Amino acid sequence: KQEVTQIPAALSVPEGENLVLNCSFTDSAIYNLQWFRQDPGKGLTSLLLIQSSQREQTSGRLNASLDKSSGRSTLYIAASQPGDSATYLCAVRRPGGFKTIFGAGTRLFVKA
Amino acid sequence: DAGVIQSPRHEVTEMGQEVTLRCKPISGHDYLFWYRQTMMRGLELLIYFNNNVPIDDSGMPEDRFSAKMPNASFSTLKIQPSEPRDSAVYFCASRHPPSGQETQYFGPGTRLLVL
Repeated sequence: KQEVTQIPAALSVPEGENLVLNCSFTDSAIYNLQWFRQDPGKGLTSLLLIQSSQREQTSGRLNASLDKSSGRSTLYIAASQPGDSATYLCAVRRPGGFKTIFGAGTRLFVKA
Repeated sequence: DAGVIQSPRHEVTEMGQEVTLRCKPISGHDYLFWYRQTMMRGLELLIYFNNNVPIDDSGMPEDRFSAKMPNASFSTLKIQPSEPRDSAVYFCASRHPPSGQETQYFGPGTRLLVL
């Protein structure tokens, strides 16, 4: 059974700091891995999607890496801003369907 | 595009009552997903449809839950009878056909409270 774990559960950093969010999954047989952002009281917004054959994806100040063999992914946020404050969720899609398993998320607070 | 539309945004009901949640996916998207989010269990996939047909409903918790998609622009998730433990935020999401982007687009959610 696939389980997705995110560490840390919460993180508070000063503005401008570079930071790394971690995601681990127990079954390396994945189709893809996706990072989402969720603002309070809102739905999820997709940030980056990495196919199982890829190693990383980048979008602006965000970089996500995937190491399938070790069951790990990281989301790197450069030069953090107060607007980055949100909960970040990692999600793994299994092969052969659209069943997606989500981590519990990392709640990020960037102090001005 | 208005994005995925869900209604109502908030629902408060009493135990035993029927609850119907509604979703309008993004036009042209052929997959629709229903999720439930709670503090205890996080975000869970309940059911998803492809071209209006239910594909995987293994996440539906009990027979009290049912979902339908009568056409490409409308889906409902019904709870009958509702119980306090059904209190959660229910999200609907849709995605592009395979030739398009992989990602799912989420609605704002319906916050359900069952008293």
